Amino acid sequence: DAGITQSPRYKITETGRQVTLMCHQTWSHSYMFWYRQDLGHGLRLIYYSAAADITDKGEVPDGYVVSRSKTENFPLTLESATRSQTSVYFCASSELAGPQHFGDGTRLSIL
Amino acid sequence: AQSVTQLGSHVSVSEGALVLLRCNYSSSVPPYLFWYVQYPNQGLQLLLKYTSAATLVKGINGFEAEFKKSETSFHLTKPSAHMSDAAEYFCAVSPTPNAGGTSYGKLTFGQGTILTVHP
Repeated sequence: DAGITQSPRYKITETGRQVTLMCHQTWSHSYMFWYRQDLGHGLRLIYYSAAADITDKGEVPDGYVVSRSKTENFPLTLESATRSQTSVYFCASSELAGPQHFGDGTRLSIL
Repeated sequence: AQSVTQLGSHVSVSEGALVLLRCNYSSSVPPYLFWYVQYPNQGLQLLLKYTSAATLVKGINGFEAEFKKSETSFHLTKPSAHMSDAAEYFCAVSPTPNAGGTSYGKLTFGQGTILTVHP
């Protein structure tokens, strides 16, 4: 089925560990985005990508790394997880003039 | 820089009553505006969008919003609330393609309004 999927849906890890959140879309959308959602802050943009091999920082990029070698995938890596990165992470995709379509999120807890 | 303010983090209405969720934006030029809805443990779904065509925008599930440039507002309304409308609602702003630069497509969200519907 066409859509955008995130994995895992839930993840618990420890501080200092590296963790990668996966995002896959089947629409061949050019744009992809990573957000984090925290109480009192709404959704904040971490990184986005306008096409394969083109990425740029959003509002809160520190501590995160992204890559986009293929149009359909946009993984987000926390190189050394910290407790402040405990959050719900959402991936989204869109075409140039279209609305963003969101995945169901990854709930990440860092102990 | 663009920003969005949603007035009221919680709104409570009775079933059948008018729903009004307030959103004001700040932007140096008229932007694109969006309303999204989020149900528990799900991602965001687009309700409606304003992209500089008609100022009154109709969306899904009976919602509509009116773009008022003079008030820099984009309030969301529904004439009669249903229990299934209970969710969190987000207003968002995006630069238009004419704005130039690399910021097109990036959304800036408000902090969200939780709508509760009482029977």
